[in-house]
Amino acid sequence: GAVVSQHPSRVICKSGTSVKIECRSLDFQATTMFWYRQFPKQSLMLMATSNEGSKATYEQGVEKDKFLINHASLTLSTLTVTSAHPEDSSFYICSAPSWGRGNEKLFFGSGTQLSVL
Amino acid sequence: GIQVEQSPPDLILQEGANSTLRCNFSDSVNNLQWFHQNPWGQLINLFYIPSGTKQNGRLSATTVATERYSLLYISSSQTTDSGVYFCAARGADQGNTNAGKSTFGDGTTLTVKP
Repeated sequence: GAVVSQHPSRVICKSGTSVKIECRSLDFQATTMFWYRQFPKQSLMLMATSNEGSKATYEQGVEKDKFLINHASLTLSTLTVTSAHPEDSSFYICSAPSWGRGNEKLFFGSGTQLSVL
Repeated sequence: GIQVEQSPPDLILQEGANSTLRCNFSDSVNNLQWFHQNPWGQLINLFYIPSGTKQNGRLSATTVATERYSLLYISSSQTTDSGVYFCAARGADQGNTNAGKSTFGDGTTLTVKP
């Protein structure tokens, strides 16, 4: 199957700093990628859709100025949490769709655990 | 939008037992997938199954689209099967792309004891 790489896997930062998370599709091209947030023992919550070469689309209630998304190439999307605060602490996951036999399957990165002190 | 409900929320099994996980969805779907999230957070795509039946080793899945449910079967469970199983569905009215905008259920947490 398709491989999606996400880095870093864990980051601890001080309140007020910015953190960048990278998501790469390693063996396929992805014009679209997705960013999710997951709280402990909860489901995935879609934050935004990252579009290569154009602006990301954000889900209702997600602050676009807080969560900056850049999709500069067909294999890389980045999520920057700006001026992070303790309430931004969470598990962030990216995914990319890959098509095969007319089926659109989702493949996920390994996630990033963000802890803001 | 589409509603996705999974049951049971928690399941504890002895190694070697079989289990059935259920996913109900409220509308017609054109994309339904099952995922396994291991204890370290990695999600693995198990099945793409908007209809019909598929099998992959000890796992199989069946979706009855007309009755709006999907089942995931795990046979001869192993401790490595532990984790959270999610189904994600995209409504047929949402177009044929952007599976990432699928609605995820709340998951079934499976614990397999040795």
